[in-house]
Amino acid sequence: SAVISQKPSRDICQRGTSLTIQCQVDSQVTMMFWYRQQPGQSLTLIATANQGSEATYESGFVIDKFPISRPNLTFSTLTVSNMSPEDSSIYLCSVEDRKASNTEAFFGQGTRLTVV
Amino acid sequence: QKEVEQDPGPLSVPEGAIVSLNCTYSNSAFQYFMWYRQYSRKGPELLMYTYSSGNKEDGRFTAQVDKSSKYISLFIRDSQPSDSATYLCAMTRYSSASKIIFGSGTRLSIRP
Repeated sequence: SAVISQKPSRDICQRGTSLTIQCQVDSQVTMMFWYRQQPGQSLTLIATANQGSEATYESGFVIDKFPISRPNLTFSTLTVSNMSPEDSSIYLCSVEDRKASNTEAFFGQGTRLTVV
Repeated sequence: QKEVEQDPGPLSVPEGAIVSLNCTYSNSAFQYFMWYRQYSRKGPELLMYTYSSGNKEDGRFTAQVDKSSKYISLFIRDSQPSDSATYLCAMTRYSSASKIIFGSGTRLSIRP
């Protein structure tokens, strides 16, 4: 199974600033995803990070707020821009590993973000 | 109405008890059903994966899918304190990891 390293594991940020979260996978993967997990709520897909092209964003999420990079098949970044306290959440990187079952998604340990 | 509904708990049971966790859903197009376990301050990890209706057993864990009722369950037999975690149901129409819809999770605590 894919091993995912996510940095930072947690951060406390001032409102109005931006934070970039890194996701490194130990093998090449086709699909990488970014999720948000707010307290007491389900995981919500922010976007699919596409290698070599723009990310595909879900309804309610926009590129200006959550720019994503995917320079190669093992690495992606998510930036949370112009942060407000409402952005306080856990952000999770996920990959699909086709060496496993078709629908298996592996997750990083998450980045716990607090905006003050 | 949410696409996937899951009782958030918390659910607290004594060690050795049988645990039943459930989700209901509204989209009849879902075909792939999963249960994830998430320990505190960790990412979710896949526990069970089922295609369409039926049962699947893996050790102490049994997953059930009833598509006619749009209802899925996870049973844990001989529950252990190490089973204490949040359990997330998840489902998708697709045979890939895209567009997975998650329940909000049930927090489970097993008392020694």
